[in-house]
Amino acid sequence: DIVMTQSPDSLAVSLGERATINCKSSQSVLHSSNNRNNLAWYQHKSGQPPKLLISWTSTRESGVPDRFSGSGSGTDFTLTISSLQAEDVAVYYCQQYYRTPHTFGQGTKLEIK
Amino acid sequence: QIQLQQSGPGLVKPSQTLSLTCAISGDSVSSNSVTWTWIRQSPSRGLEWLGRTYYRSEWHYEYAVSVQGRITINPDVSKNQFSLQLNSVTPDDTAVYYCTRAILGRLDYWGQGTLVTVSS
Repeated sequence: DIVMTQSPDSLAVSLGERATINCKSSQSVLHSSNNRNNLAWYQHKSGQPPKLLISWTSTRESGVPDRFSGSGSGTDFTLTISSLQAEDVAVYYCQQYYRTPHTFGQGTKLEIK
Repeated sequence: QIQLQQSGPGLVKPSQTLSLTCAISGDSVSSNSVTWTWIRQSPSRGLEWLGRTYYRSEWHYEYAVSVQGRITINPDVSKNQFSLQLNSVTPDDTAVYYCTRAILGRLDYWGQGTLVTVSS
């Protein structure tokens, strides 16, 4: 299985500041057919199902604020929230969907400082 | 609008079978462009991909090795739903279970989640 490792496990950021979450895969998740990394980010708020934020490393889903951005390639990926808002408090997960089982990172808990 | 509605018991005894159903509205379980997947979340395992079913001229099934041999995911075309059965459960199977839709692997729609506790 492809192992996904996120860092840090938890993060406290002041409102309006930048938050950065890292994700590393144990092998490349680059799909040769479309030259895109099969990497997604999810936001999970307590009491709700996870929500897909970003797919293909950097493509925001419809309705996701543009303060959320994704980057990376190969085995190293990053989710950035440019200006933290109170409603962004959640646990964030990366997931590879290159090869089944489509494994997740262990999650990063984001809080307000 | 696509919605996934889960149903099933929240308490299962050890060694028995966990059974959950996911009713689909706004899409078809027989769609040849999506897959139907079960995910679970627990403090010990985090988010865990359990398996999926999908239709591409015939039905396909894929399961995680961690639950292989105990898991069955079945589509029900007449009711437009799919189900999860997990046999011989132990307390380690206690988790919140989610049904999801995936397009090219991305989980874009989720059920509401069902907390299943394995306890006598």
